[in-house]
Amino acid sequence: EPEVTQTPSHQVTQMGQEVILRCVPISNHLYFYWYRQILGQKVEFLVSFYNNEISEKSEIFDDQFSVERPDGSNFTLKIRSTKLEDSAMYFCASSEVSGGPNEQFFGPGTRLTVL
Amino acid sequence: DAKTTQPPSMDCAEGRAANLPCNHSTISGNEYVYWYRQIHSQGPQYIIHGLKNNETNEMASLIITEDRKSSTLILPHATLRDTAVYYCIALSKPNTGNQFYFGTGTSLTVIP
Repeated sequence: EPEVTQTPSHQVTQMGQEVILRCVPISNHLYFYWYRQILGQKVEFLVSFYNNEISEKSEIFDDQFSVERPDGSNFTLKIRSTKLEDSAMYFCASSEVSGGPNEQFFGPGTRLTVL
Repeated sequence: DAKTTQPPSMDCAEGRAANLPCNHSTISGNEYVYWYRQIHSQGPQYIIHGLKNNETNEMASLIITEDRKSSTLILPHATLRDTAVYYCIALSKPNTGNQFYFGTGTSLTVIP
């Protein structure tokens, strides 16, 4: 069964450093998403991406964040200058584009630890 | 998108049906009800969704009341692996990049 994959599973970085989290969405999906979950808190939406541009973003997704689809398979989330409060699980998701509602399929997540 | 209300926790005996309620009294006509679950810190897993009619798949059944103000997710024969946090989400236009709002959900514990 096709699935969303994410690398790395765990990333440790120093405050102020740039990190890139990578995701490979399901191959025929065209909508892509990033969510995050701070330990013990809710899953929060960050951004959705379609047709090479951001379609929706939350207040969390400020100028420190960017997303990119650098090739036909990868979807990345970049945090330019990490802060301690960026420590969280980051989940990538993807969904099909069709005439009706479709579920979002989530990856296993990347645990980001900022020291 | 409509706000949903779920009990914070529930227990269920292994092998019995788990019935998880969700209240979405402000749901509008074009909003779908989605159910996801999250096992420990894994990525949320899709379970089922519906608009007006009851739905069933290999994982669960979704019963939506006629007035659509509430729904119940039914896991027919709960196993220990069904222990997870279950989220009920009401979402309009779910295929236009709209975000899913995950609340606090219901923490289901399946007891041996």
